[in-house]
Amino acid sequence: GAVVSQHPSRVICKSGTSVKIECRSLDFQATTMFWYRQFPKQSLMLMATSNEGSKATYEQGVEKDKFLINHASLTLSTLTVTSAHPEDSSFYICSARDPRGGYEQYFGPGTRLTVT
Amino acid sequence: KQEVTQIPAALSVPEGENLVLNCSFTDSAIYNLQWFRQDPGKGLTSLLLIQSSQREQTSGRLNASLDKSSGRSTLYIAASQPGDSATYLCAVFNNAGNMLTFGGGTRLMVKP
Repeated sequence: GAVVSQHPSRVICKSGTSVKIECRSLDFQATTMFWYRQFPKQSLMLMATSNEGSKATYEQGVEKDKFLINHASLTLSTLTVTSAHPEDSSFYICSARDPRGGYEQYFGPGTRLTVT
Repeated sequence: KQEVTQIPAALSVPEGENLVLNCSFTDSAIYNLQWFRQDPGKGLTSLLLIQSSQREQTSGRLNASLDKSSGRSTLYIAASQPGDSATYLCAVFNNAGNMLTFGGGTRLMVKP
């Protein structure tokens, strides 16, 4: 199956700094990628839909100026958490939709963000 | 707005039991439904994908069924093993193919 990678897998940063998370589709081109957040013992919540070459679509309640998404190429989307605070500590997962069929989404391994 | 519910939220069984995880969704206009497995602190692993025109999919000891008209899916795990312990998530894709909605998950513990 298709492979999606995320980098870094784990990051610890100080409050007030910005953190960039990369999501790459390794063996297919993804016009659409999705960013999810998962708090402990909760299910995934969609944050935004990232479309190559256009602005991301954010879900209600997600601050677009705080969570900057850039989908500059067909294989890379980035999520930047700006001015991170401890409440932003979470598990962030991206997924990419393989356009070759089925609308199946392939998920990255996730990034654990801890803001101290 | 699509809502996905999974029952039970948690399940603990002895090794060897056959078990059923339930998933229900409110809007039957779906494109497909996926079952995922998530180990603690890890990303998602796709288990089974059922297209809206299909009734079931099987992979090894796993069998997933879909009744789109009633808004239900079940994941059947045969002869459970301790290695099956994980959280199982179901998610439905809307007809437009641009929104995947997750259930709350079922945390499964299989005791040796």
